[in-house]
Amino acid sequence: AQTVTQSQPEMSVQEAETVTLSCTYDTSESDYYLFWYKQPPSRQMILVIRQEAYKQQNATENRFSVNFQKAAKSFSLKISDSQLGDAAMYFCAYRSSNTGTASKLTFGTGTRLQVTL
Amino acid sequence: ETGVTQSPTHLIKTRGQQVTLRCSSQSGHNTVSWYQQALGQGPQFIFQYYREEENGRGNFPPRFSGLQFPNYSSELNVNALELDDSALYLCASSLALTGSLDGYTFGSGTRLTVV
Repeated sequence: AQTVTQSQPEMSVQEAETVTLSCTYDTSESDYYLFWYKQPPSRQMILVIRQEAYKQQNATENRFSVNFQKAAKSFSLKISDSQLGDAAMYFCAYRSSNTGTASKLTFGTGTRLQVTL
Repeated sequence: ETGVTQSPTHLIKTRGQQVTLRCSSQSGHNTVSWYQQALGQGPQFIFQYYREEENGRGNFPPRFSGLQFPNYSSELNVNALELDDSALYLCASSLALTGSLDGYTFGSGTRLTVV
């Protein structure tokens, strides 16, 4: 079974600064997908960024980028130029690419990000 | 296009009772997954429905059951409620069995409190 670990329960960053959220995972599969989701107080999970394991290039979406280290099974999220609206819970998630299984997401326990002025 | 709608938003039930939670999928999506998110935890996969049949189940007892209807909306039923069932229940819809890479759309959840 796959597991996802987020070792930082809370992080704080000043507005306009950069912050990195950590995520490690464990799997025996060679092909899979990794995601970062944001959960604001509205409770709806919002996709921030995604990475296919077979791609060596790190994914980037505007101010959000990842550092994907497949051998180390590490998938960190970097938020640049932090904004007040970035304050939320952030979840790292894993999904197998095995088409024979349900496309379930396995989530970490989350990191609460605070953004201060 | 509409997103995923869940109802009710909040619910309080008594231990031993039964509850039904509802989810309307995003237009065009044919797969629905349900997740349980306990306070301070990440969501845990309950089960997934594809074309009205259960396709995959997490580590949840049989008193957690579901339905998917021809219009791809879904229900989550929980019998014999226990205090530990208190959680946020999230529904996520996607287009295909395996889900496109960015095809998961989550609802805002139902907050269930069991007293």
